[in-house]
Amino acid sequence: QKEVEQDPGPLSVPEGAIVSLNCTYSNSAFQYFMWYRQYSRKGPELLMYTYSSGNKEDGRFTAQVDKSSKYISLFIRDSQPSDSATYLCAMSASSEKLVFGKGMKLTVNP
Amino acid sequence: DTGVSQNPRHKITKRGQNVTFRCDPISEHNRLYWYRQTLGQGPEFLTYFQNEAQLEKSRLLSDRFSAERPKGSFSTLEIQRTEQGDSAMYLCASSLGDSTEAFFGQGTRLTVV
Repeated sequence: QKEVEQDPGPLSVPEGAIVSLNCTYSNSAFQYFMWYRQYSRKGPELLMYTYSSGNKEDGRFTAQVDKSSKYISLFIRDSQPSDSATYLCAMSASSEKLVFGKGMKLTVNP
Repeated sequence: DTGVSQNPRHKITKRGQNVTFRCDPISEHNRLYWYRQTLGQGPEFLTYFQNEAQLEKSRLLSDRFSAERPKGSFSTLEIQRTEQGDSAMYLCASSLGDSTEAFFGQGTRLTVV
């Protein structure tokens, strides 16, 4: 079993839809959780950063962490075609290396 | 541009040749990381530096790979005797202090033919 599991999709939604992206993990030592967005042939861009459990909101994006279930989510409200990208979850047990999921490819259709 | 800078952006090399990539982190970021990403996969950790000290190396980093960060500023990643399996995107990231908020560069795409 990989430390971080993420459904690679692809996921296709109409513009304006609410998108839900999820990752599960097995390492209970993980306490730092991140979501990155990666456009084709570009480097990952940090979207959301959460420490331990709880919710964090930033504009149309909400990140949730449920440590008891070892489950993290990213919600995108009012999705836009410009949100079309690959979304990667990443997590860390300490302030060192990140462990990434495979990434979910999202397409938002106009 | 004050982000993480990587050069070159693309590199095509023949099998058996040596290649070297450069990463310039965000100014004042003391931690620098190297990751490798293959098609359809998330980035995989290779190694990281705190200032000039290399603190951890992944088992993915074979003897053909070497990384340096002289003077704790830019870093280089060298691959000797390249193999076709080395074809990937090599990503550099940096962070400040003990933060895990790592910021990535645009990557160097290596193709070994």
